[in-house]
Amino acid sequence: GENVGLHLPTLSVQEGDNSIINCAYSNSASDYFIWYKQESGKGPQFIIDIRSNMDKRQGQRVTVLLNKTVKHLSLQIAATQPGDSAVYFCAESSSDSSYKLIFGSGTRLLVRP
Amino acid sequence: ETGVTQTPRHLVMGMTNKKSLKCEQHLGHNAMYWYKQSAKKPLELMFVYSLEERVENNSVPSRFSPECPNSSHLFLHLHTLQPEDSALYLCASSQDTSSYNSPLHFGNGTRLTVT
Repeated sequence: GENVGLHLPTLSVQEGDNSIINCAYSNSASDYFIWYKQESGKGPQFIIDIRSNMDKRQGQRVTVLLNKTVKHLSLQIAATQPGDSAVYFCAESSSDSSYKLIFGSGTRLLVRP
Repeated sequence: ETGVTQTPRHLVMGMTNKKSLKCEQHLGHNAMYWYKQSAKKPLELMFVYSLEERVENNSVPSRFSPECPNSSHLFLHLHTLQPEDSALYLCASSQDTSSYNSPLHFGNGTRLTVT
């Protein structure tokens, strides 16, 4: 896949369990955050986003939590399924350069049947 | 079907070759992007076009030359590349260049190998 050779942190979970993927960001001026999912052989796919005026946002089976105090972002996936196996990237941007998304290095999620 | 189509999916080229990567988006978006995804590095923004005007050239070597003839098509012309340019090149589009409520839609990339 596209990330062969990239030594990604890996999270291994049992099918049906909840998954939590974490991301630390460094720019305190960042005010918009996005999570992307990249499956093998595909480009990144938008999952969910959150602005800095929020602490939590929920989607379908996913929740993003933002802690601005410690500059930490997390993605929670409920009832993890085999189709959730992928590399997950967080990305940040700030209002003065909003199209310049800065991507993290990613976390590989493996779902055990 | 992503709405953003990239061709070719795989490309092997020598350092003296000239080749082009093509991207087409069917989403009616006004902004298009080239990103580089290589081993051991996060996604790197290369170029940004908004309504066919280049708004970002992120210190990319001149051996990479983008072209945006219209808002639906984006090319990346390659010449005299180096082996370290081997990577996955991803095209993306968005409604506009504000990332707020205008998330990037990525194609599946072109896997480039420079020999």
